[in-house]
Amino acid sequence: QSALTQPASVSGSPGQAITMSCTGTSSGVGNWHIVSWYQQHPGRAPKLLIYDGTKRPSGVSNRFSGSQSGDTASLTISGLQAEDEAHYYCCGYPGDNTFLFGGGTKLTVL
Amino acid sequence: QVQLQESGPGVVKPSGTLSLTCAVSGGSISSSTWWTWVRQPPGKGLEWIAKTHHSGSSKYNPSLRSRVTISVDKAKNQFALNLTSVTAADTAVYFCARVVSWIWYFDIWGRGTLVTVS
Repeated sequence: QSALTQPASVSGSPGQAITMSCTGTSSGVGNWHIVSWYQQHPGRAPKLLIYDGTKRPSGVSNRFSGSQSGDTASLTISGLQAEDEAHYYCCGYPGDNTFLFGGGTKLTVL
Repeated sequence: QVQLQESGPGVVKPSGTLSLTCAVSGGSISSSTWWTWVRQPPGKGLEWIAKTHHSGSSKYNPSLRSRVTISVDKAKNQFALNLTSVTAADTAVYFCARVVSWIWYFDIWGRGTLVTVS
């Protein structure tokens, strides 16, 4: 059984940097390096922030960056702004042609 | 610019079948990409449901596989989701999205449609 684990919540003050994690566990081989990140504000559709672990689509602020080490992917938001308050989801492609979302992390900007 | 729009009944009776369509505009559903459905129960996280390709290939979330069918209608430039034997646990906002192949991420999303099982 594969799973992607995210912390339920993180918080930070305006101007600070925060990092949230996404850890993959599986009973078999997994392509956890194929990870994407999505931002979701209440009542809105998810928005792509990061794909292929570290790549940023055009139009996404360079304050958002992704990294990976082993089975853990991370999303860092620098220069935190009030508008960054949202839920963030990682999504992995475990190698069996399916997708798996993490449980999501709620970011609170203090 | 490709846009996606979900449509379907907002309420489905328990044990009934949930049927949704996703209309693709600004591009062809027969392009070399996959199309997918994702759902989100009220106050909860995202759950991937299924993906399909215009060639007819499909893949399903193992936890929903026995109840789900995803299909493409090339003539109408849309794809569909059918979920049978629904219960209250299937109440959710259902999103359709475009999948970027080989790198496997969702780049374009519909606005979502709330389906209540009641």
